[in-house]
Amino acid sequence: DIQMTQSPSTLSASVGDRVTITCRASQSIKSWLAWYQQKPGKAPKPLIYQASNLESGVPSRFSGSGSGTEFTLTISSLQPDDFATYYCQQYNTYWTFGQGTKVEIK
Amino acid sequence: EVQLVESGGGLVQPGGSLRLSCAASGFTFSTYNMNWVRQAPGKGLEWVSFVSSSSTSVYYADSVRGRFTISRDNAKNSLYLQMNSLRAEDTAAYYCVREKFGSSGYHDFWGQGTLVTVSS
Repeated sequence: DIQMTQSPSTLSASVGDRVTITCRASQSIKSWLAWYQQKPGKAPKPLIYQASNLESGVPSRFSGSGSGTEFTLTISSLQPDDFATYYCQQYNTYWTFGQGTKVEIK
Repeated sequence: EVQLVESGGGLVQPGGSLRLSCAASGFTFSTYNMNWVRQAPGKGLEWVSFVSSSSTSVYYADSVRGRFTISRDNAKNSLYLQMNSLRAEDTAAYYCVREKFGSSGYHDFWGQGTLVTVSS
């Protein structure tokens, strides 16, 4: 099974900050990686697919990069609506999620 | 507008059964692969099961294989999850999830979820 490890688990930041979340796969997943945003009581919202492709309607301050085993999600300037939990997901072999990164207000 | 609406959740005793349904609309359901993903209270996301567009391929997570059965009825635009021998650890919100067409597995649309509670 492919394991996905996100870091950090919690991130404290302020509006306007540049934020980076890392996701590591236990083996190569090429570029078959997605990022999701989830707010309490809501379904996950797709943000990025195939490591770096922005889902339609997602603000351009979100970006993704990486391939193989190391991936990052970057929010260039954190906005109030961005405080949420973020999950990475590999879909190279079945589907596995990272444990999540909670972005909270500093 | 794409919609996925889950139903069938509720309280069930350990060892019991439950059948979840997902009604799809706003897209050609019969051409899309579908999944169930769950989330235990306060925990992360866990993929549960996959069914291909024509039901020729089905996959399950190890945690549910042999107890859960995924199925679909393309004529009714519906996805199902039959859950048997339920355990306390199956308590979760269950999401019906669409796979993006031609995407090799990316989950591009999620329903709002239905809560399953396994408790005596």
